[in-house]
Amino acid sequence: GESVGLHLPTLSVQEGDNSIINCAYSNSASDYFIWYKQESGKGPQFIIDIRSNMDKRQGQRVTVLLNKTVKHLSLQIAATQPGDSAVYFCAENRGDSGNTPLVFGKGTRLSVIA
Amino acid sequence: GAVVSQHPSWVICKSGTSVKIECRSLDFQATTMFWYRQFPKQSLMLMATSNEGSKATYEQGVEKDKFLINHASLTLSTLTVTSAHPEDSSFYICSARPPGVKTNQPQHFGDGTRLSIL
Repeated sequence: GESVGLHLPTLSVQEGDNSIINCAYSNSASDYFIWYKQESGKGPQFIIDIRSNMDKRQGQRVTVLLNKTVKHLSLQIAATQPGDSAVYFCAENRGDSGNTPLVFGKGTRLSVIA
Repeated sequence: GAVVSQHPSWVICKSGTSVKIECRSLDFQATTMFWYRQFPKQSLMLMATSNEGSKATYEQGVEKDKFLINHASLTLSTLTVTSAHPEDSSFYICSARPPGVKTNQPQHFGDGTRLSIL
């Protein structure tokens, strides 16, 4: 199930189940979105990205869905494994320039129950 | 793939000490690097944008005299936390994006520096 803590919501799933992590973004002008995975004590690791002219993109075991109408982004992980346990962040890019920083969402902690 | 390296990974020092953190892009040149700070169980907050050969751009509320940024080459940016105090204890992370004609490339992050001020 999903719970919201003081800062970081947590999603607990059984190993082998599918996980869905949601993210709401704020700026309708954002044109590029990225999902990152952060393990304890490490920097964010790129998972998958999507441009605003798309509404779905698939990778290996992961799918990102983009709904621009309601400014919502989701990350689906198929057949969740213990190694997927981490904090997941969505990030939005508000411009085309390489000088544009990313704006991160609050993050969701995924706990996989073996 | 693009690799960003940070050093050191972990620092413990006394209050009042200045600490320098290095961020290197190992296999690409980066005219722009970004510095983030992350407190426990929170998201990454952008501190500043580091620009090679020019002054950094700081986010609102970030003291530029406290957090000195130098981007002297296309592969190295440094963040110096001057006269650090316990409230500066945090996880500092840098990122960079490989250049190219294709826009919308993902940023790549270093593994962060955990700073603990006693």
